[in-house]
Amino acid sequence: DADVTQTPRNRITKTGKRIMLECSQTKGHDRMYWYRQDPGLGLRLIYYSFDVKDINKGEISDGYSVSRQAQAKFSLSLESAIPNQTALYFCATSDSLDGDTQYFGPGTRLTVL
Amino acid sequence: QQQVKQSPQSLIVQKGGISIINCAYENTAFDYFPWYQQFPGKGPALLIAIRPDVSEKKEGRFTISFNKSAKQFSLHIMDSQPGDSATYFCAARNTGGFKTIFGAGTRLFVKA
Repeated sequence: DADVTQTPRNRITKTGKRIMLECSQTKGHDRMYWYRQDPGLGLRLIYYSFDVKDINKGEISDGYSVSRQAQAKFSLSLESAIPNQTALYFCATSDSLDGDTQYFGPGTRLTVL
Repeated sequence: QQQVKQSPQSLIVQKGGISIINCAYENTAFDYFPWYQQFPGKGPALLIAIRPDVSEKKEGRFTISFNKSAKQFSLHIMDSQPGDSATYFCAARNTGGFKTIFGAGTRLFVKA
């Protein structure tokens, strides 16, 4: 969805490296999310933010950190990447006035060697 | 732990056939049940959703059937087409809650 963009789209990195995934949205939504997708496991929530000053851990936050730089920007960082963080990462947004529908970005495929 | 269990993991259907994907949930506080469709290289997108005050919702060839007492819901794709080949995720959340819980996904392949 062009309203939610993610950079980079693909990234290969080495164990121990710090990496940042970025998400930007033009939908004007206040809520943003980071998910991880693994085959057979569906989408698992890493972090979510209901506004710039509100950031919360999801079910698999260990090894990850986030920053909400502005309402439109939400970044995910891997401080020291490890191979089992190899996955497809999605950013999503929703509107608190219509909070049930989430709008996903195109994803970032991350490989940690 | 809140869970949504989805089956089957993969599904092959002939063109024109009916595709059926099933989900079961545990938390009776859930009151919104969406289905997301994901094409390769794309993010998931909302396909259709239902609230538990109705037992069925239909949008074109896509129908959600909901059984509140059994805590189960399913997606039916009528007259399945090759263009329906995608991964489908069921999900559940409670209004006012902060998390949408996703099923593991079903990879659907519709043979021409």
